[in-house]
Amino acid sequence: DTEVTQTPKHLVMGMTNKKSLKCEQHMGHRAMYWYKQKAKKPPELMFVYSYEKLSINESVPSRFSPECPNSSLLNLHLHALQPEDSALYLCASSQDEGTSETQYFGPGTRLLVL
Amino acid sequence: RKEVEQDPGPFNVPEGATVAFNCTYSNSASQSFFWYRQDCRKEPKLLMSVYSSGNEDGRFTAQLNRASQYISLLIRDSKLSDSATYLCAVKQNNDMRFGAGTRLTVKP
Repeated sequence: DTEVTQTPKHLVMGMTNKKSLKCEQHMGHRAMYWYKQKAKKPPELMFVYSYEKLSINESVPSRFSPECPNSSLLNLHLHALQPEDSALYLCASSQDEGTSETQYFGPGTRLLVL
Repeated sequence: RKEVEQDPGPFNVPEGATVAFNCTYSNSASQSFFWYRQDCRKEPKLLMSVYSSGNEDGRFTAQLNRASQYISLLIRDSKLSDSATYLCAVKQNNDMRFGAGTRLTVKP
């Protein structure tokens, strides 16, 4: 089972709202990722967690706050977002942080910031 | 210069055609290479990893040329269901970079 689940599927929020995106995998993977994808653009890496510790933060604004409560869960807390943050937010996981490890993506959360 | 570059297409081909996509990358320290397929409004799904010796999976063949820093994907006997955007991905350690994707439409 190579399934990564994400909730919610769609989210509309105002610029003053606080919301959270959730990602879950039960494959025993120890590395988890957040990507942002705008229309007709490639996914862009935001954060990497390895063994529940943040290992990469690609200079993401502080209005995005990741959290890894345990090895199966990854959250992305959103606060005071801007309309340009509207995008598809993809979670992915891989067995480990090794170079050759394949990343498996969840279906994404489509976010609209008004 | 973008880290990973692909011809955006679109490639419009008839069923049964053979089509090839190329992807170039700028980071010579890149260690792993992949092709993903992404359908409209869906997540990327792994199509195949790309190995130095080249590898084949049914109608799909991937090649890697480290010296010239490009990877390729060949699709033989195209099916309607192959219509999608094909993303190449290049990885160094835990950092994966994607190309912008090549749009393929296979027509009856």
